Amino acid sequence: DAGVIQSPRHEVTEMGQEVTLRCKPISGHDYLFWYRQTMMRGLELLIYFNNNVPIDDSGMPEDRFSAKMPNASFSTLKIQPSEPRDSAVYFCASRSEGDEQFFGPGTRLTVL
Amino acid sequence: GQSLEQPSEVTAVEGAIVQINCTYQTSGFYGLSWYQQHDGGAPTFLSYNGLDGLEETGRFSSFLSRSDSYGYLLLQELQMKDSASYFCAVSGTGGFKTIFGAGTRLFVKA
Repeated sequence: DAGVIQSPRHEVTEMGQEVTLRCKPISGHDYLFWYRQTMMRGLELLIYFNNNVPIDDSGMPEDRFSAKMPNASFSTLKIQPSEPRDSAVYFCASRSEGDEQFFGPGTRLTVL
Repeated sequence: GQSLEQPSEVTAVEGAIVQINCTYQTSGFYGLSWYQQHDGGAPTFLSYNGLDGLEETGRFSSFLSRSDSYGYLLLQELQMKDSASYFCAVSGTGGFKTIFGAGTRLFVKA
């Protein structure tokens, strides 16, 4: 298996623009997680899905952030409009019933 | 709410043993995990403790005491490649929502 796939790997955009981050989980994994990592706030859980259904989105910072999982092999995290404080590395992770979360390589987002 | 505390930095020499502690406060505790992250990389899973006691995986061991809300990661025979950040993470009821600590940066010196 190729592991968790994220795209793009790097994104530079201007304040106010819409940003869409993409994730393909490992096949057969029922759980998908979106995290954000910054120096100041560390690794924060934004939202997680089980069988494509959002279970807990209490970590989503505000209404500018939205996440979808239209099928078992694809999820998106959208920021609209983006702001400089959204600059971070965004990780997607997936897991099955075991204890291990498998992280993707991350998307480094810079909002100017 | 949930909170975790771990040291921000630890320095050790190659070949030595180092212990990284983690204390937590959480409701609905399910288990404690440890992840390693090299600079520029993604977190990778090291170990999980759901029950009290020691779990050993090669050079790495992890310990949990649920009554003390405490755990640690033990790294033996340190190698230069072990220089990385190490995160403890607690999972709550159901075992799926995971909260990460701030991470401990380990520097291994020759």
